Amino acid sequence: DTAVSQTPKYLVTQMGNDKSIKCEQNLGHDTMYWYKQDSKKFLKIMFSYNNKELIINETVPNRFSPKSPDKAHLNLHINSLELGDSAVYFCASSLRTGTSITGELFFGEGSRLTVL
Amino acid sequence: GQQLNQSPQSMFIQEGEDVSMNCTSSSIFNTWLWYKQDPGEGPVLLIALYKAGELTSNGRLTAQFGITRKDSFLNISASIPSDVGIYFCAGSNFGNEKLTFGTGTRLTIIP
Repeated sequence: DTAVSQTPKYLVTQMGNDKSIKCEQNLGHDTMYWYKQDSKKFLKIMFSYNNKELIINETVPNRFSPKSPDKAHLNLHINSLELGDSAVYFCASSLRTGTSITGELFFGEGSRLTVL
Repeated sequence: GQQLNQSPQSMFIQEGEDVSMNCTSSSIFNTWLWYKQDPGEGPVLLIALYKAGELTSNGRLTAQFGITRKDSFLNISASIPSDVGIYFCAGSNFGNEKLTFGTGTRLTIIP
């Protein structure tokens, strides 16, 4: 069983379109994340949710809207796609202890988005 | 914002060689972690460090949490082909959900 699974793995679309990426974790974790990895391999956090509540929103354009229907799922919807949105998007999950995470994130395989 | 710089940016070594890489920060972290990313995959946790000065091993890998809390080191002994990939350091602080990743060190093994 895959611990953190993302779909789709590849997404090719035109500028201006709207697309969604889905993520599910079966680890029983309570915190989930979206990270963006650019062509230089820099990994940058976008959002974090704990028990369906948004706790981190890192100055991401509001064209990006995360949604967490329950603590095992975190989806990412992107409106009006732009060329600069092309990247690999990683979903991750972790277990929160007290008021902070342990830092031990479990990542999905990534979803490669290409905007033409 | 916090920045984690890793060096070297890339390494080309022969199988069997030992590898050393480090990570420095402009500010203090309370937790340091090392991840490895294989091509087409997400990063996977290798080692987690929770105390300044801590030295932790995981098989052929050894990592240290710098005493200043602003750096960390990763060593790989007797490298093998499956060690190829990108190694990322990451830092976080208590009370903060955010994990900041370093710029990465790409390891290539020359046949």
